[in-house]
Amino acid sequence: SAVISQKPSRDICQRGTSLTIQCQVDSQVTMMFWYRQQPGQSLTLIATANQGSEATYESGFVIDKFPISRPNLTFSTLTVSNMSPEDSSIYLCSAVYTSPTSGSYEQYFGPGTRLTVT
Amino acid sequence: RKEVEQDPGPFNVPEGATVAFNCTYSNSASQSFFWYRQDCRKEPKLLMSVYSSGNEDGRFTAQLNRASQYISLLIRDSKLSDSATYLCAVNLNDMRFGAGTRLTVKP
Repeated sequence: SAVISQKPSRDICQRGTSLTIQCQVDSQVTMMFWYRQQPGQSLTLIATANQGSEATYESGFVIDKFPISRPNLTFSTLTVSNMSPEDSSIYLCSAVYTSPTSGSYEQYFGPGTRLTVT
Repeated sequence: RKEVEQDPGPFNVPEGATVAFNCTYSNSASQSFFWYRQDCRKEPKLLMSVYSSGNEDGRFTAQLNRASQYISLLIRDSKLSDSATYLCAVNLNDMRFGAGTRLTVKP
């Protein structure tokens, strides 16, 4: 399986501030994603982080609120801007690998960043 | 209609029981299918891919029915350690997840 790290693992932030979450993967990957998960809820895709171009955002998510960078094939950042309590959630980075054994597509997740906005 | 729908659960079963989860998807063009396991306060972990011919990994069997657009996961001889939330996932251009079904295996 893949190794994906995120930092910070958790943070408590004041409303109106911004937080940048970093995601590092252990090998070059073609696709990286950012998800959000509220407690007890499933995963909601925020955006696809595209290397060398602007991220592709899902409905309900905009670049001004969630700017994303992907400067290379192993690293991405997600910024949560002008935070409000409604942004309190777990933010998960994800990467797609091709299995060396089966050749199939497999998607793995980082450990998540638990964000609380007060 | 949600893109991916799962049994709402929760499932509470005794050790040794067989439990089955089902999941339906709305987009017939979906290309690949997966089951994930998520423990409390942890990230989802890939449990197994689901192939058209069905596949088995120990006590776990996954099946795909493209005609009816559903996937299933069967857990035989359930263990206490199987307690977790099980998420189905369907991929077209990106991965979409079901809401998850919580399983609790009791002694």
